[in-house]
Amino acid sequence: GAVVSQHPSRVICKSGTSVKIECRSLDFQATTMFWYRQFPKKSLMLMATSNEGSKATYEQGVEKDKFLINHASLTLSTLTVTSAHPEDSSFYICSARPGTTYEQYFGPGTRLTVT
Amino acid sequence: AQTVTQSQPEMSVQEAETVTLSCTYDTSENNYYLFWYKQPPSRQMILVIRQEAYKQQNATENRFSVNFQKAAKSFSLKISDSQLGDTAMYFCAFMKPGAGSYQLTFGKGTKLSVIP
Repeated sequence: GAVVSQHPSRVICKSGTSVKIECRSLDFQATTMFWYRQFPKKSLMLMATSNEGSKATYEQGVEKDKFLINHASLTLSTLTVTSAHPEDSSFYICSARPGTTYEQYFGPGTRLTVT
Repeated sequence: AQTVTQSQPEMSVQEAETVTLSCTYDTSENNYYLFWYKQPPSRQMILVIRQEAYKQQNATENRFSVNFQKAAKSFSLKISDSQLGDTAMYFCAFMKPGAGSYQLTFGKGTKLSVIP
């Protein structure tokens, strides 16, 4: 089946630093990748949608200068949290959609803790 | 904009019994997809079942089945013969295909506990 990986699974960083999260589709080419944020005991909130080779489309209220998304290839998208602050601590999940189907396949998530 | 409502924040069921999780949605679209996802404590999102709106027949996947009522905009999930491994958060989701995005809109989730 379609597998999506995320790296790292957990990261702790100091306030003011930047952290990069990778999302890879391992056995298919992802036309579209999605980035979600999930607070404890809450639902998934879509942050942005990215198509390979194009600029990401951010949801209302999501700061594009703070959450930099790059979808440089059909198998890799990255989310960089710039100048991280404790309020950015959260669980970040990516998903990927092959061009041949409407389904999304989810990565295992990354827990970010900003101290 | 589409909205998805799950009115049961938490539910519990005895092992081997049957439980139904409710989901309603609001849309003006005629062509769309509906999903139920499971998120166990590992937090990996797992697709449980999907339904295409143009199909009248309710989808089934082993112990999981849906009751899709298009006119009522209702999409409930029935879990039969509940197992301890079914303990998880369950999210109902809506997708409008096309428009270059295929974005999912999630409900707030229902926490299901299966009791031995």
